[in-house]
Amino acid sequence: QQPVQSPQAVILREGEDAVINCSSSKALYSVHWYRQKHGEAPVFLMILLKGGEQKGHDKISASFNEKKQQSSLYLTASQLSYSGTYFCGTANYGGSQGNLIFGKGTKLSVKP
Amino acid sequence: DTGVSQNPRHKITKRGQNVTFRCDPISEHNRLYWYRQTLGQGPEFLTYFQNEAQLEKSRLLSDRFSAERPKGSFSTLEIQRTEQGDSAMYLCASSLGAGSDEQYFGPGTRLTVT
Repeated sequence: QQPVQSPQAVILREGEDAVINCSSSKALYSVHWYRQKHGEAPVFLMILLKGGEQKGHDKISASFNEKKQQSSLYLTASQLSYSGTYFCGTANYGGSQGNLIFGKGTKLSVKP
Repeated sequence: DTGVSQNPRHKITKRGQNVTFRCDPISEHNRLYWYRQTLGQGPEFLTYFQNEAQLEKSRLLSDRFSAERPKGSFSTLEIQRTEQGDSAMYLCASSLGAGSDEQYFGPGTRLTVT
């Protein structure tokens, strides 16, 4: 089941904050966040595991609400370099189950 | 620091021809994944390997698609009798292989079927 991302697109000014949500109808084992710039490969941002803590580095952090089967990505004091499409990839099982199911993405544009 | 590499980066082929793509994962990574991405969509899982064993295949992977990973190192993805609907970016990713661990993507091979 493909996770649902919201919003589909967001436009920010430099320095503003944004939240991107990723929801699944199935029980999640992990959520992976990636950023992809046009014409480039997805770049790994962070992974959140069931039962794990909120993660973050620099001004990007994420949380995982197991009850709601939802993860949120928080971008604070956005920079021009944050522009791109953000994808969440979900895994329903651990162990030998290796594939991720990606959402359709959230396009983030940061303007000067 | 060498990441995941893919060759070729671009491939244009005529409908009905066969094509083969190569992926070289990060050297110490045991798992290798193939995804397909079309415009405006997230990557779609195709198949993955744990060392040389192909552990899972998506139902998206028709009989025209085959993937190998001989000796657990590089992998190839072959598409036989290509169709226009096969046009997409084919992405390879690799990971260490411990449960739901981080997957690192290569630059992809863009296939155009005319």
